[in-house]
Amino acid sequence: EPEVTQTPSHQVTQMGQEVILRCVPISNHLYFYWYRQILGQKVEFLVSFYNNEISEKSEIFDDQFSVERPDGSNFTLKIRSTKLEDSAMYFCASSEGPRYGYTFGSGTRLTVV
Amino acid sequence: GQQLNQSPQSMFIQEGEDVSMNCTSSSIFNTWLWYKQDPGEGPVLLIALYKAGELTSNGRLTAQFGITRKDSFLNISASIPSDVGIYFCAGQPMEYGNKLVFGAGTILRVKS
Repeated sequence: EPEVTQTPSHQVTQMGQEVILRCVPISNHLYFYWYRQILGQKVEFLVSFYNNEISEKSEIFDDQFSVERPDGSNFTLKIRSTKLEDSAMYFCASSEGPRYGYTFGSGTRLTVV
Repeated sequence: GQQLNQSPQSMFIQEGEDVSMNCTSSSIFNTWLWYKQDPGEGPVLLIALYKAGELTSNGRLTAQFGITRKDSFLNISASIPSDVGIYFCAGQPMEYGNKLVFGAGTILRVKS
């Protein structure tokens, strides 16, 4: 079964440092997403990406966040200057189209200290 | 707004019992999805619903897309210990965009 792969599974970083979270979506999928889940809370939308540009973003996705598809397979989320409140599980997801169920990766647990 | 109210928050049931959980909203949704999340893992899609009134099954799971487009339920029949986990409903709002809005989750615990 095709899957979405995320690396690393766990990242610890100091406040103020930049982090890049990496994702390899399913190869024939066209829509890519990042979501986050603060411990014990619900999953929250960050950003969707289609045709090499952001199609939608939430209020959480401020200027500290950026996404990139640097080549034909990777999809990255960069946080420029991490804050303590950025600590969360970050999930990448992909889908074939806008009305298809997503496939989520296993997540990257980001801990900002 | 686009909030999903999911209930119950948690359930503790006997193995073999049927389970029911639901999500409601004051907004209309295009698509309803049900996911299960195990500890330390990402959500796994269980059932996707695309049309109002649609009733879909996946093994022991059955879900329905409410006729008003504002609600959905998930039933699990004859629960087993591996059904333990957190179940999330998620919806795609009617307006342009394909983000998912998630409910707060239902924690299911099964007594064997």
